[in-house]
Amino acid sequence: DVKVTQSSRYLVKRTGEKVFLECVQDMDHENMFWYRQDPGLGLRLIYFSYDVKMKEKGDIPEGYSVSREKKERFSLILESASTNQTSMYLCASSPLGGRQETQYFGPGTRLLVL
Amino acid sequence: QKEVEQNSGPLSVPEGAIASLNCTYSDRVSQSFFWYRQYSGKSPELIMSIYSNGDKEDGRFTAQLNKASQYVSLLIRDSQPSDSATYLCAVKRGSQGNLIFGKGTKLSVKP
Repeated sequence: DVKVTQSSRYLVKRTGEKVFLECVQDMDHENMFWYRQDPGLGLRLIYFSYDVKMKEKGDIPEGYSVSREKKERFSLILESASTNQTSMYLCASSPLGGRQETQYFGPGTRLLVL
Repeated sequence: QKEVEQNSGPLSVPEGAIASLNCTYSDRVSQSFFWYRQYSGKSPELIMSIYSNGDKEDGRFTAQLNKASQYVSLLIRDSQPSDSATYLCAVKRGSQGNLIFGKGTKLSVKP
C-alpha cells in the first residue's frame, strides 16, 4: 500500500513564526503536492514537484515556499505565518506518466495560527 | 466558469437507495477523471478512476463519463450509512499530474 505521512496532525503557531510541514512517501513516486483545504473553498493546490529539486507554483503559492531535496520528502514552508494560513494542509504523491496515475493523500496537518 | 463543478449538497438518500453524484468540467481536452471520498476530519481517498466514455463498475460504485457533455457521475447502489461522506470529483490537468478538484458533494445516507 502507498503510504504518505505528514510530520504533525495538529500544529499551533504564532503569527510571524516560520513553520515547516514535512511530508514523506514510501512508494518512490516522482510527483508530490501540497494542498490546503478550507470550508467552502475545497482543495487548492499550493505547490507541486515532479522531481528532486524541482518545484512548480500551484494556484495559491503566495506566502509559501517548498523544498524537495530527496525524492521521498517534500516540505512546505510558511516563512512568516499569518492567521489567514490557518487551514488543513494535505500532502499527496503520485507516480509519473501514463493515464493510470492518481494521487494518494497523507492524513493532513491541521494548522492553527494565533 | 469554474473548472470543476459539483453540487455542494447535502444530498440525502435513504439506506438502500441509489445515490447519484454529478460533476461537470470545463477543459474539453481532459482525459483522466477521479472520484475521491472524504470522511469528516480525514484525508481524501480514491474510490474510482475513469478514462473512457461509458460506465465503469466497481462493487456498489459505478462511474460514468460523457466527454461530449463534459460530465462525470458517480452512482452508489444500495447506499449505506457508512457511505455518508463528502465526495470529490477531480480532473487531471495537463501532463504533469495535477488534479483540479471540485468543492465536493456532501452525501448523507439515512438509516
